[in-house]
Amino acid sequence: AQSVTQLGSHVSVSEGALVLLRCNYSSSVPPYLFWYVQYPNQGLQLLLKYTTGATLVKGINGFEAEFKKSETSFHLTKPSAHMSDAAEYFCAVYRTGGAQKLVFGQGTRLTINP
Amino acid sequence: EPEVTQTPSHQVTQMGQEVILRCVPISNHLYFYWYRQILGQKVEFLVSFYNNEISEKSEIFDDQFSVERPDGSNFTLKIRSTKLEDSAMYFCASNGKGQFTGELFFGEGSRLTVL
Repeated sequence: AQSVTQLGSHVSVSEGALVLLRCNYSSSVPPYLFWYVQYPNQGLQLLLKYTTGATLVKGINGFEAEFKKSETSFHLTKPSAHMSDAAEYFCAVYRTGGAQKLVFGQGTRLTINP
Repeated sequence: EPEVTQTPSHQVTQMGQEVILRCVPISNHLYFYWYRQILGQKVEFLVSFYNNEISEKSEIFDDQFSVERPDGSNFTLKIRSTKLEDSAMYFCASNGKGQFTGELFFGEGSRLTVL
């Protein structure tokens, strides 16, 4: 079965600093990988996704993630944090050809310090 | 832009009461889901629904839970006899006009508080 592990339940960075949120997955077949963001009191919004092709994917709000098969990772980065990036971030995996559902990691709460 | 809508946004109920959470998925989507998120915890899969039947359910989705698509637009989650541990945010999601693509479109959630 597929699974997702997000390292660090809480990450705090200064405004303007690099954001790095870590995600490792487990899947026996090539996965589709997703990052979702959840702002306070809101639902989950797709940030970016990797399905096939280019391993570096760009999403909304300046975020990007790189699929590294050898490391089974899909870390999320943003060069310069903004106060509005404060939110909960969830990595998710879909195992192609498997059960038609997303499996989520436990989430990482990102705090931005002024 | 089409979106998934959920009602109510917040419901408070007494333990043992029945609750129905409602969702209107994106029109023409074929796959429907309920996920839940207990406060401070991960988003957990409950159930998926396709072609008018449950396609998969988690171990959380026991006999107290049921889903229904009573007409062409609504998708409901019923909890027959609520327990304290059912307190959570419940998210409805939908996907796909054809082949499942993995990307889910979520509603804003229904917060259920069981007292």
